[in-house]
Amino acid sequence: DADVTQTPRNRITKTGKRIMLECSQTKGHDRMYWYRQDPGLGLRLIYYSFDVKDINKGEISDGYSVSRQAQAKFSLSLESAIPNQTALYFCATSDSIYEQFFGPGTRLTVL
Amino acid sequence: AQKVTQAQTEISVVEKEDVTLDCVYETRDTTYYLFWYKQPPSGELVFLIRRNSFDEQNEISGRYSWNFQKSTSSFNFTITASQVVDSAVYFCALSEARGSYNTDKLIFGTGTRLQVFP
Repeated sequence: DADVTQTPRNRITKTGKRIMLECSQTKGHDRMYWYRQDPGLGLRLIYYSFDVKDINKGEISDGYSVSRQAQAKFSLSLESAIPNQTALYFCATSDSIYEQFFGPGTRLTVL
Repeated sequence: AQKVTQAQTEISVVEKEDVTLDCVYETRDTTYYLFWYKQPPSGELVFLIRRNSFDEQNEISGRYSWNFQKSTSSFNFTITASQVVDSAVYFCALSEARGSYNTDKLIFGTGTRLQVFP
């Protein structure tokens, strides 16, 4: 089984809808991250969490919120989705020593 | 502010050619980490290498090699004898440090798409 899982893997939604992307990890890492990838822009950090009680905004947090329900779970919410939030979203975990481990990504389309 | 620049948007080569992907970074921190990730057409991100700022030794792993030069703030990646399976987008990334504490927040370059033709 994958160490970092993301659900759903693909989602199409409409403008104004609330949507939640979920991330779970079995690596036992304290640190979790949400990134979005847009063509030609690389990956940009949305939110990060160093433990359940420590959540921080990243470079592009506007329009997003997160919830760290447990060490293993970190959810990203779009309260009112808009078309320019169409992107590939990645969750990642880290133990602060080695590399970040990325999930398989969620492809979100907002119509 | 930290920044990573991958000036090559797309590179096309024929199989067996050598290819170098450039990465230039900016940081005022003395302690930082540099990474390369591969993103094949299937979309996942595959970790390739991590290098800390105090280790300027070049590294070779099979057909892959990395040249880290602090004097030019570069961390270039070379694939020797490229293969079709090397076709992917390659990202260089910098780990931001808060003073002497590595935060593990990755700052990515915009990526270089490598196409290897048979």
